[in-house]
Amino acid sequence: KNEVEQSPQNLTAQEGEFITINCSYSVGISALHWLQQHPGGGIVSLFMLSSGKKKHGRLIATINIQEKHSSLHITASHPRDSAVYICAVVRGNQFYFGTGTSLTVIP
Amino acid sequence: KAGVTQTPRYLIKTRGQQVTLSCSPISGHRSVSWYQQTPGQGLQFLFEYFSETQRNKGNFPGRFSGRQFSNSRSEMNVSTLELGDSALYLCASGQDVYGYTFGSGTRLTVV
Repeated sequence: KNEVEQSPQNLTAQEGEFITINCSYSVGISALHWLQQHPGGGIVSLFMLSSGKKKHGRLIATINIQEKHSSLHITASHPRDSAVYICAVVRGNQFYFGTGTSLTVIP
Repeated sequence: KAGVTQTPRYLIKTRGQQVTLSCSPISGHRSVSWYQQTPGQGLQFLFEYFSETQRNKGNFPGRFSGRQFSNSRSEMNVSTLELGDSALYLCASGQDVYGYTFGSGTRLTVV
């Protein structure tokens, strides 16, 4: 069983929709990252969370340490948000990754 | 400031050959970690170096090795390449594991 589970695996949305991607983990962690990967490979770290909530533009990330759960929300989704979103937890000195959520936003 | 630089961006090698990939971290970052991404396995941790010392190693065979130089630049070497080593290899640098920046990756194809 993967230590980090993401859902859904694939998501298609209409432009403007509110999107939620979920991440659950089964181990104690010191931090959680939400990563974005566009076709072509490059990965960008969107957020690093150890508690609470962070907001950056149309993106919001929350984490509940007690429930071992995090969510990434995208408000007013846009086709340029189409990418793979990866949840990664930090334990010790390394990352453990979810399998990613492939998001497609249709105009 | 300059980001994490990985070279080369693309590489084609033949089975049995060896390959060396390079990662130049953001200036001041002492931690560099390496990851393999394949369609079947997703992202997997290879190893992490801090101040020239390997602190952590993932579950990969000994054909995969790395090192870090005094200027924090890191290299990853894969010997006796297999077809299954075809992947995107990513490195990330940071002050510690909490604040990492990823490079764009090296796409290795083994034929």
